[in-house]
Amino acid sequence: GNSVTQMEGPVTLSEEAFLTINCTYTATGYPSLFWYVQYPGEGLQLLLKATKADDKGSNKGFEATYRKETTSFHLEKGSVQVSDSAVYFCALLNSGGSNYKLTFGKGTLLTVNP
Amino acid sequence: DAGITQSPRHKVTETGTPVTLRCHQTENHRYMYWYRQDPGHGLRLIHYSYGVKDTDKGEVSDGYSVSRSKTEDFLLTLESATSSQTSVYFCATQLFKDADTQYFGPGTRLTVL
Repeated sequence: GNSVTQMEGPVTLSEEAFLTINCTYTATGYPSLFWYVQYPGEGLQLLLKATKADDKGSNKGFEATYRKETTSFHLEKGSVQVSDSAVYFCALLNSGGSNYKLTFGKGTLLTVNP
Repeated sequence: DAGITQSPRHKVTETGTPVTLRCHQTENHRYMYWYRQDPGHGLRLIHYSYGVKDTDKGEVSDGYSVSRSKTEDFLLTLESATSSQTSVYFCATQLFKDADTQYFGPGTRLTVL
């Protein structure tokens, strides 16, 4: 079956530090990969995605590259801000069959201090 | 943004009582989903719908039922609530099969005493 493993948090950084949140996956076929972000008290929202190997998703200074050889989709940002404090979820979507269902990792809480 | 609202936003109930959560969307998305979010588990799919009156089970469907009589509404019912169903429940929608982006509602925090 499908599964997503992401680094456990919490992760605490100072403003302007470099961020990496690791994500690896297990899936059959060729899944699409996603990072969702959840700000305090809100629902999840899509941060970025990649639909095939070697694709790079990017948004708001965040990047992640779909690495099929290592089955990974690590999230990176060069300089984090206090406003990036949130929970980050890695997810995959396998298009096999007639319905789309996301499989999520457990989430990583990021706290950025001024 | 798929114009998703969830009601109620917060609810406290007693063990053994029935509870219905409502998800309403305004964008005519075909697919709708119910997830629960629990510490250490991320989001887990309860049920989903791929059209009016078309629903199927997710990975944690025991104790839950759903109904979708209109495109815009997807109801989640706990027939007899238990303390293990204390959680935050999120509804999500997706435009169509190949759209691949899911949009999430603000969540409902349910506490079962």
